[in-house]
Amino acid sequence: AQKVTQAQTEISVVEKEDVTLDCVYETRDTTYYLFWYKQPPSGELVFLIRRNSFDEQNEISGRYSWNFQKSTSSFNFTITASQVVDSAVYFCVLRDTGFQKLVFGTGTRLLVSP
Amino acid sequence: GAVVSQHPSWVICKSGTSVKIECRSLDFQATTMFWYRQFPKQSLMLMATSNEGSKATYEQGVEKDKFLINHASLTLSTLTVTSAHPEDSSFYICSATSGTSGRANEQYFGPGTRLTVT
Repeated sequence: AQKVTQAQTEISVVEKEDVTLDCVYETRDTTYYLFWYKQPPSGELVFLIRRNSFDEQNEISGRYSWNFQKSTSSFNFTITASQVVDSAVYFCVLRDTGFQKLVFGTGTRLLVSP
Repeated sequence: GAVVSQHPSWVICKSGTSVKIECRSLDFQATTMFWYRQFPKQSLMLMATSNEGSKATYEQGVEKDKFLINHASLTLSTLTVTSAHPEDSSFYICSATSGTSGRANEQYFGPGTRLTVT
Protein backbone atom coordinates (compact mmCIF):
# COMPACT_ATOMS: atom_id res chain seq x y z
CA ALA A 1 0.00 0.00 0.00
CA GLN A 2 1.10 3.53 -0.63
CA LYS A 3 1.53 5.89 2.25
CA VAL A 4 2.93 9.35 2.89
CA THR A 5 3.98 10.44 6.36
CA GLN A 6 4.48 14.03 7.37
CA ALA A 7 5.45 13.74 10.98
CA GLN A 8 5.40 17.48 11.67
CA THR A 9 1.84 18.57 12.29
CA GLU A 10 2.63 22.21 12.84
CA ILE A 11 5.78 24.31 12.71
CA SER A 12 6.12 27.87 13.95
CA VAL A 13 9.03 30.03 12.91
CA VAL A 14 9.93 33.68 12.91
CA GLU A 15 10.35 35.46 9.63
CA LYS A 16 13.73 34.95 7.94
CA GLU A 17 14.33 31.62 9.61
CA ASP A 18 14.96 28.58 7.46
CA VAL A 19 12.53 25.70 7.86
CA THR A 20 12.49 22.12 6.59
CA LEU A 21 9.32 20.10 6.13
CA ASP A 22 9.82 16.37 6.26
CA CYS A 23 8.17 13.78 4.06
CA VAL A 24 8.60 10.02 4.11
CA TYR A 25 6.77 7.80 1.68
CA GLU A 26 6.09 4.13 1.16
CA THR A 27 5.42 2.42 -2.14
CA ARG A 28 6.11 -0.86 -3.85
CA ASP A 29 6.21 0.77 -7.25
CA THR A 30 9.57 1.28 -8.92
CA THR A 31 8.23 4.19 -10.91
CA TYR A 32 6.28 6.89 -9.12
CA TYR A 33 5.94 10.63 -8.73
CA LEU A 34 6.25 12.85 -5.72
CA PHE A 35 4.76 16.31 -5.34
CA TRP A 36 4.58 19.17 -2.92
CA TYR A 37 1.51 21.37 -2.77
CA LYS A 38 0.83 24.49 -0.76
CA GLN A 39 -2.65 25.18 0.57
CA PRO A 40 -3.07 28.77 1.80
CA PRO A 41 -6.07 29.77 3.92
CA SER A 42 -8.13 30.30 0.76
CA GLY A 43 -8.07 26.52 0.28
CA GLU A 44 -6.85 26.40 -3.30
CA LEU A 45 -3.99 24.00 -3.82
CA VAL A 46 -0.85 25.51 -5.30
CA PHE A 47 1.51 23.18 -7.14
CA LEU A 48 5.13 23.56 -6.07
CA ILE A 49 7.12 20.70 -7.55
CA ARG A 50 6.94 17.29 -9.17
CA ARG A 51 9.72 14.75 -9.06
CA ASN A 52 9.79 11.32 -10.66
CA SER A 53 11.44 8.37 -9.01
CA PHE A 54 14.31 8.25 -11.48
CA ASP A 55 15.42 11.79 -10.88
CA GLU A 56 17.19 12.15 -7.57
CA GLN A 57 18.72 15.49 -8.29
CA ASN A 58 17.98 18.08 -5.70
CA GLU A 59 16.20 21.14 -6.95
CA ILE A 60 16.23 24.76 -5.99
CA SER A 61 13.67 27.33 -7.00
CA GLY A 62 14.21 30.70 -5.42
CA ARG A 63 13.83 30.29 -1.66
CA TYR A 64 12.52 26.75 -2.07
CA SER A 65 14.64 23.63 -2.29
CA TRP A 66 13.88 19.94 -2.28
CA ASN A 67 15.99 16.99 -1.19
CA PHE A 68 14.92 13.66 -2.68
CA GLN A 69 16.63 10.60 -1.23
CA LYS A 70 15.39 7.32 -2.56
CA SER A 71 17.53 5.32 -0.15
CA THR A 72 15.55 6.69 2.79
CA SER A 73 12.27 7.22 0.89
CA SER A 74 12.27 10.85 1.81
CA PHE A 75 11.41 14.00 -0.09
CA ASN A 76 12.06 16.95 2.19
CA PHE A 77 11.23 20.56 1.45
CA THR A 78 13.21 23.53 2.74
CA ILE A 79 12.16 27.16 2.72
CA THR A 80 15.03 29.57 3.14
CA ALA A 81 14.49 32.94 4.75
CA SER A 82 10.83 32.27 5.42
CA GLN A 83 8.25 35.00 4.96
CA VAL A 84 4.81 35.57 6.43
CA VAL A 85 3.28 34.73 3.05
CA ASP A 86 4.71 31.24 3.38
CA SER A 87 2.18 30.53 6.13
CA ALA A 88 0.04 27.68 4.81
CA VAL A 89 -0.47 23.96 4.98
CA TYR A 90 1.98 21.99 2.89
CA PHE A 91 1.18 18.56 1.52
CA CYS A 92 3.59 15.94 0.27
CA VAL A 93 1.87 13.72 -2.30
CA LEU A 94 2.67 10.39 -3.92
CA ARG A 95 1.28 9.18 -7.21
CA ASP A 96 1.70 5.93 -9.05
CA THR A 97 2.01 5.77 -12.81
CA GLY A 98 -0.89 3.44 -13.33
CA PHE A 99 -4.14 4.60 -11.83
CA GLN A 100 -3.02 8.16 -11.31
CA LYS A 101 -4.36 8.19 -7.79
CA LEU A 102 -2.82 10.73 -5.49
CA VAL A 103 -1.99 9.81 -1.92
CA PHE A 104 -1.76 12.87 0.28
CA GLY A 105 0.26 13.14 3.44
CA THR A 106 -1.45 14.56 6.50
CA GLY A 107 0.04 17.96 5.86
CA THR A 108 2.27 20.30 7.83
CA ARG A 109 0.90 23.63 8.94
CA LEU A 110 3.58 26.30 8.76
CA LEU A 111 3.11 29.50 10.70
CA VAL A 112 5.57 32.28 9.98
CA SER A 113 5.31 35.21 12.33
CA PRO A 114 6.77 38.65 11.70
CA GLY B 1 -3.46 26.96 -19.50
CA ALA B 2 -4.75 23.92 -17.63
CA VAL B 3 -7.41 25.69 -15.60
CA VAL B 4 -10.06 23.86 -13.63
CA SER B 5 -13.03 25.70 -12.20
CA GLN B 6 -15.60 24.72 -9.62
CA HIS B 7 -19.03 26.09 -9.03
CA PRO B 8 -20.22 27.16 -6.60
CA SER B 9 -17.25 28.20 -4.50
CA TRP B 10 -19.38 27.89 -1.40
CA VAL B 11 -22.88 26.73 -0.65
CA ILE B 12 -25.10 26.51 2.39
CA CYS B 13 -28.00 24.11 2.30
CA LYS B 14 -30.53 22.70 4.69
CA SER B 15 -30.35 19.18 6.00
CA GLY B 16 -32.15 16.74 3.75
CA THR B 17 -31.72 18.69 0.55
CA SER B 18 -29.42 17.86 -2.34
CA VAL B 19 -26.66 20.03 -3.70
CA LYS B 20 -24.76 19.81 -6.96
CA ILE B 21 -21.15 20.86 -7.43
CA GLU B 22 -19.71 21.37 -10.89
CA CYS B 23 -16.12 20.84 -11.98
CA ARG B 24 -15.04 22.13 -15.38
CA SER B 25 -11.80 21.94 -17.29
CA LEU B 26 -11.66 25.25 -19.12
CA ASP B 27 -8.89 24.80 -21.65
CA PHE B 28 -8.36 21.08 -22.03
CA GLN B 29 -10.34 17.88 -22.33
CA ALA B 30 -10.39 15.94 -19.10
CA THR B 31 -10.60 12.22 -19.68
CA THR B 32 -10.47 11.61 -15.96
CA MET B 33 -11.67 13.67 -13.04
CA PHE B 34 -11.17 13.06 -9.36
CA TRP B 35 -13.22 14.20 -6.40
CA TYR B 36 -11.66 14.79 -2.99
CA ARG B 37 -13.09 15.72 0.36
CA GLN B 38 -11.23 17.64 3.03
CA PHE B 39 -12.52 18.06 6.56
CA PRO B 40 -11.21 20.96 8.66
CA LYS B 41 -7.55 20.59 9.54
CA GLN B 42 -7.33 17.28 7.77
CA SER B 43 -5.81 16.05 4.56
CA LEU B 44 -7.50 15.46 1.23
CA MET B 45 -9.15 12.10 0.83
CA LEU B 46 -10.00 10.74 -2.59
CA MET B 47 -13.70 10.00 -2.89
CA ALA B 48 -14.02 8.79 -6.45
CA THR B 49 -12.53 8.69 -9.91
CA SER B 50 -14.67 9.39 -12.92
CA ASN B 51 -13.96 8.78 -16.56
CA GLU B 52 -15.93 10.48 -19.27
CA GLY B 53 -18.89 8.41 -20.35
CA SER B 54 -18.55 5.69 -17.75
CA LYS B 55 -19.53 5.09 -14.16
CA ALA B 56 -17.40 6.52 -11.40
CA THR B 57 -15.17 4.33 -9.28
CA TYR B 58 -15.67 5.04 -5.60
CA GLU B 59 -13.12 4.61 -2.86
CA GLN B 60 -13.85 2.25 -0.05
CA GLY B 61 -16.22 3.73 2.49
CA VAL B 62 -17.72 6.32 0.14
CA GLU B 63 -21.44 5.85 -0.42
CA LYS B 64 -22.08 5.94 -4.13
CA ASP B 65 -25.81 6.44 -3.66
CA LYS B 66 -25.17 9.50 -1.56
CA PHE B 67 -22.44 11.07 -3.65
CA LEU B 68 -23.60 10.89 -7.25
CA ILE B 69 -20.95 11.61 -9.83
CA ASN B 70 -21.67 12.29 -13.47
CA HIS B 71 -18.91 12.85 -16.02
CA ALA B 72 -21.08 13.46 -19.05
CA SER B 73 -18.59 15.37 -21.17
CA LEU B 74 -14.86 15.85 -21.50
CA THR B 75 -15.03 19.19 -19.75
CA LEU B 76 -17.61 18.69 -17.03
CA SER B 77 -18.06 16.46 -14.03
CA THR B 78 -20.67 16.96 -11.34
CA LEU B 79 -20.88 15.76 -7.77
CA THR B 80 -24.32 15.69 -6.21
CA VAL B 81 -24.57 15.28 -2.47
CA THR B 82 -28.01 13.79 -1.94
CA SER B 83 -29.99 14.20 1.27
CA ALA B 84 -27.18 16.19 2.79
CA HIS B 85 -26.60 16.13 6.53
CA PRO B 86 -24.39 18.29 8.74
CA GLU B 87 -21.67 15.63 8.73
CA ASP B 88 -21.35 16.14 4.96
CA SER B 89 -20.17 19.67 5.58
CA SER B 90 -16.70 19.76 4.10
CA PHE B 91 -14.43 21.23 1.45
CA TYR B 92 -14.85 19.40 -1.84
CA ILE B 93 -12.06 19.62 -4.39
CA CYS B 94 -11.95 18.24 -7.89
CA SER B 95 -8.98 17.60 -10.13
CA ALA B 96 -8.78 16.78 -13.80
CA THR B 97 -6.31 15.12 -16.08
CA SER B 98 -6.06 14.59 -19.79
CA GLY B 99 -4.31 11.97 -21.84
CA THR B 100 -2.91 14.35 -24.38
CA SER B 101 0.80 14.44 -25.06
CA GLY B 102 2.67 16.91 -22.89
CA ARG B 103 -0.01 16.97 -20.27
CA ALA B 104 -0.47 13.28 -19.78
CA ASN B 105 -0.92 12.32 -16.14
CA GLU B 106 -0.77 15.88 -14.83
CA GLN B 107 -3.63 16.62 -12.46
CA TYR B 108 -4.96 20.11 -12.22
CA PHE B 109 -6.95 21.09 -9.18
CA GLY B 110 -10.04 23.22 -8.93
CA PRO B 111 -10.31 25.92 -6.27
CA GLY B 112 -12.67 23.87 -4.12
CA THR B 113 -16.26 24.18 -2.93
CA ARG B 114 -17.07 24.71 0.70
CA LEU B 115 -20.33 22.99 1.65
CA THR B 116 -22.11 23.79 4.88
CA VAL B 117 -25.20 21.81 5.79
CA THR B 118 -27.39 23.37 8.48
